[in-house]
Amino acid sequence: ETGVTQSPTHLIKTRGQQVTLRCSSQSGHNTVSWYQQALGQGPQFIFQYYREEENGRGNFPPRFSGLQFPNYSSELNVNALELDDSALYLCASSLESERPQYFGPGTRLTVL
Amino acid sequence: QKEVEQDPGPLSVPEGAIVSLNCTYSNSAFQYFMWYRQYSRKGPELLMYTYSSGNKEDGRFTAQVDKSSKYISLFIRDSQPSDSATYLCAMSEAGGGNKLTFGTGTQLKVEL
Repeated sequence: ETGVTQSPTHLIKTRGQQVTLRCSSQSGHNTVSWYQQALGQGPQFIFQYYREEENGRGNFPPRFSGLQFPNYSSELNVNALELDDSALYLCASSLESERPQYFGPGTRLTVL
Repeated sequence: QKEVEQDPGPLSVPEGAIVSLNCTYSNSAFQYFMWYRQYSRKGPELLMYTYSSGNKEDGRFTAQVDKSSKYISLFIRDSQPSDSATYLCAMSEAGGGNKLTFGTGTQLKVEL
């Protein structure tokens, strides 16, 4: 059984640019959630996708957007990058929206 | 005040010790309680998943939930150097779309 995978591993961008992060959910999982983890902090919920529809959103501005595809993989897009967007971005998948979430290794984004 | 409070540590114990990690929370709607282990620069790994109050044991790990006190604990018996990591508590509401709210994490070091 393949776990949650994310790409790329690391990314360096400059302020104002746009970035797309990708996530493949664990086999059989139809729900994907995205989290932002700043250094020394716990992960913060960005949003969740369930069967290709957004199913909840945290306190993040609209420049954070996402997609879920028919195979349940997902993308996180961030526009107009700011220095404070530098963080570890985590994707988690679950069998249904109310079941345990399993995390991928994360993408470390640095904004200069 | 944060919804979930967790002492960041660091907590240093000798090998073989019993470790106690704790979180308090303010949101009485939380019904699902989780403990994740996160090694440096890695994604969180699910250790324990419990619903409502009570105890759950899995090998060397025991999770306790006291909803009346809004307090959860994770006990690690016979701690090993490989247990050295950051331990994150997380919680979610029933019917809340499984948005996880995390503590800041407690850094644990188990010394030889």
